[in-house]
Formats: sequence, C-alpha cells, structure tokens
Amino acid sequence: DAGVTQSPTHLIKTRGQQVTLRCSPKSGHDTVSWYQQALGQGPQFIFQYYEEEERQRGNFPDRFSGHQFPNYSSELNVNALLLGDSALYLCASSLWGLAVTDTQYFGPGTRLTVL
Amino acid sequence: AQSVAQPEDQVNVAEGNPLTVKCTYSVSGNPYLFWYVQYPNRGLQFLLKYITGDNLVKGSYGFEAEFNKSQTSFHLKKPSALVSDSALYFCAVRDRDRGSTLGRLYFGRGTQLTVWP
Repeated sequence: DAGVTQSPTHLIKTRGQQVTLRCSPKSGHDTVSWYQQALGQGPQFIFQYYEEEERQRGNFPDRFSGHQFPNYSSELNVNALLLGDSALYLCASSLWGLAVTDTQYFGPGTRLTVL
Repeated sequence: AQSVAQPEDQVNVAEGNPLTVKCTYSVSGNPYLFWYVQYPNRGLQFLLKYITGDNLVKGSYGFEAEFNKSQTSFHLKKPSALVSDSALYFCAVRDRDRGSTLGRLYFGRGTQLTVWP
C-alpha cells in the first residue's frame, strides 16, 4: 500500500522565483492538505483540496496556490519567493467523507531553501 | 480560535523510565486530538488520536495518551522509554464542531524527546 509521496526532496531557489511542489496521496484517499513547517515550528495549514477545488485556506498570501488533478494528486505553487518561504512543505492525505475524524497521513516533505 | 500548547521544548528521560510529553489545547467546541512524531529529515508519522469514548487512547509503538476535558490536556505517555523513541513530537487539534475548518489541523510547536541510554 503506497503511502504519501512528495517530490522533489530538496529544492533551492532564489528570491523572486517560482516553485512547484508535487504530492501523490495515499492509495484510496481523495483529499490533499498542504502544510508549511518553518524551522523550529509546528506545521501551519496552507490549504486543502478535494474534487479539484480548494475547500479551505489558512492564513497564507495569494502567492501560494494549488491544484488537484483527477487522480487526486496535487501541486503547490509559490510565486515571487521570499526568504521567509524557506521551510519544509508537507503534504497530507485523507478521506473527505471522514473529514472531521479521519487521520491525515503525511508525506516526507519537500525542503525548500530560498537564497 | 483553535490552538495547541506544548509547554516543554525538550524532555529528557533515561531508557526504561516512563515518559510524558505534555499538551494542552483550546477549541471553541469539542476537540479531536492527535499526536504525531517526526524523525530527522522525515515527515510526520501518526501515533494516535482521540475522537470519543475512553479517555485513555492507545497508539503505535507502545504510546498512549490521556484526554482530560476539565484540564483541556492530552498528554502523551509511555511506560518504558527506548532510545529509539528520541524524536520530535507534535500535538494537534481539530475542532469537530466548526464545519468551516473541517480537515484543518492546528499543531503545537513540538517537543524534542531525548532518551539517553
């Protein structure tokens, strides 16, 4: 049973550039959530996708956008990168129908460094 | 507003001794509570959750947690610590009565557990 996968593992960008991170959910899951984990902090919710629509969003600027594909995989895009965007980006998958009680399973993350 | 506090940045315990990692929460409704563990350069691994029912929840790798509604706490415990338990532990909460935040988890800052031989 395949778990949550993310690519790439590491990424280095410079300020002002754009980046795309990818996530494939756990087999059987249809909902993808993205979190940002800055150094020394707990993960912060960015947004959640179900049925190819953004269902809820955390307190992140519009520079952060996403997409979900028919196969439930998802992308996180960040435009106009800032130094403060350097973080571990985590993808989590779950089942929408059990949204409140369901466990979110996390991928290994993508480490983004902005220089 | 939903929030989680982990009052200890670090917990140190000798192998074989019991361990406790503390967590308190604040939600406007009734909580669903989760514990995750993170090893270096890895994502979060699910340990256990409290949804309803028995206040003592048993999870993976011998961990358990006790839900205390009056103290708004959900402390993680293990009777006998192992060196391999050394990792970063996160408590998280979801407010089950707020439909608009379905699916969103609110995390604490994490507690670094070190178990020494």
